[in-house]
Amino acid sequence: QKEVEQNSGPLSVPEGAIASLNCTYSDRGSQSFFWYRQYSGKSPELIMFIYSNGDKEDGRFTAQLNKASQYVSLLIRDSQPSDSATYLCAVNFNDYKLSFGAGTTVTVRA
Amino acid sequence: SAVISQKPSRDICQRGTSLTIQCQVDSQVTMMFWYRQQPGQSLTLIATANQGSEATYESGFVIDKFPISRPNLTFSTLTVSNMSPEDSSIYLCSARQTVNTEAFFGQGTRLTVV
Repeated sequence: QKEVEQNSGPLSVPEGAIASLNCTYSDRGSQSFFWYRQYSGKSPELIMFIYSNGDKEDGRFTAQLNKASQYVSLLIRDSQPSDSATYLCAVNFNDYKLSFGAGTTVTVRA
Repeated sequence: SAVISQKPSRDICQRGTSLTIQCQVDSQVTMMFWYRQQPGQSLTLIATANQGSEATYESGFVIDKFPISRPNLTFSTLTVSNMSPEDSSIYLCSARQTVNTEAFFGQGTRLTVV
């Protein structure tokens, strides 16, 4: 069974700190990886996607992918109260479908 | 990018009745999906809506309970049939072009069955 696991939350970080979110997946053949942010009562919105091993940076966000370890992470630098949300890791298992992890709720303390 | 309009945004329904949720995309998309999200939970895929053919359902979901239509490349409907309180959830429509592109989501339908 294809699974996506995220580190359990909630994760509380002070404003300005780095929030680190982790995700592992079961299928070594997975092709693409996505991080979504979901505010309470809203639908998920894409933060970043990554396909190749290594780091990908976009503003305060950095996604890291290690296909050998079947691991993808998201770092949020200089965390802001507006970053408080649930972060969903999504993995593409060789077809069009996205499988989502359970999500990690992040709270940034002012 | 794609903008997805989903309606209704919320509804309260009597048990035993059915509700049809509509999803309209502002451009043609390859794939459309329907997800369910229970409060505090992640997204569970119900089915892939296939244009011109029957939807492909995930384990635990059946066509009689969740009939899906997709008459063209921009529109899909999900019906929740013979509802019970256990069907109370948020239902999300999603669209995607290719395996290497993001999935876009509608704003969701918050369903309460009483």
